[in-house]
Amino acid sequence: DAGVIQSPRHEVTEMGQEVTLRCKPISGHNSLFWYRQTMMRGLELLIYFNNNVPIDDSGMPEDRFSAKMPNASFSTLKIQPSEPRDSAVYFCASSLARGVRGRSSPLHFGNGTRLTVT
Amino acid sequence: AQKVTQAQTEISVVEKEDVTLDCVYETRDTTYYLFWYKQPPSGELVFLIRRNSFDEQNEISGRYSWNFQKSTSSFNFTITASQVVDSAVYFCALSEARVRNAGGTSYGKLTFGQGTILTVHP
Repeated sequence: DAGVIQSPRHEVTEMGQEVTLRCKPISGHNSLFWYRQTMMRGLELLIYFNNNVPIDDSGMPEDRFSAKMPNASFSTLKIQPSEPRDSAVYFCASSLARGVRGRSSPLHFGNGTRLTVT
Repeated sequence: AQKVTQAQTEISVVEKEDVTLDCVYETRDTTYYLFWYKQPPSGELVFLIRRNSFDEQNEISGRYSWNFQKSTSSFNFTITASQVVDSAVYFCALSEARVRNAGGTSYGKLTFGQGTILTVHP
């Protein structure tokens, strides 16, 4: 069973460049989450989708960040232009939400993308 | 607002010792879920356990056990007879049970604690 797949594993870029992170959720899952992990702020939720629709993007730091989910099997997180303070590990996670009375699955995380902006 | 506090930043033990990782949470929701995740040195986040707010029964899985106390808003994690492979960062997390979404209800977002770094020495 393939888990959540993220690419690339590592990304090094120069300030001002556009960065695109990719995520393939577990097949059949209907919720997708983007998290960012830094030493200072820990794990923060950036945005999450349900049935490909963005539900909560209140964690997106600023307009330089955007996320899309064009279909159930693919999502992107884009930073344009990138800045050194964006350096972090970005995790994608997915789950199957069955509602309050259903037995929804826990979040399953990908291996993360380590982004370094110089 | 939801909040998860893991007061222990780092814990160091010697192999075979028992160790308890503390987690205290705050929420206004009456229905919620609690989680523990493990992040080994390789960096991935591994799901360990989920507990819903209706179920205060403690759980044991091999050397792992969890103590959920709703009265004190705590969800502590104990590793018995620790091993070097248990060395990792452990995160406690909280999720609201229901939020609006396009298709009905779903999990809310996970709010994570700051994590506890556990080092088990041989």
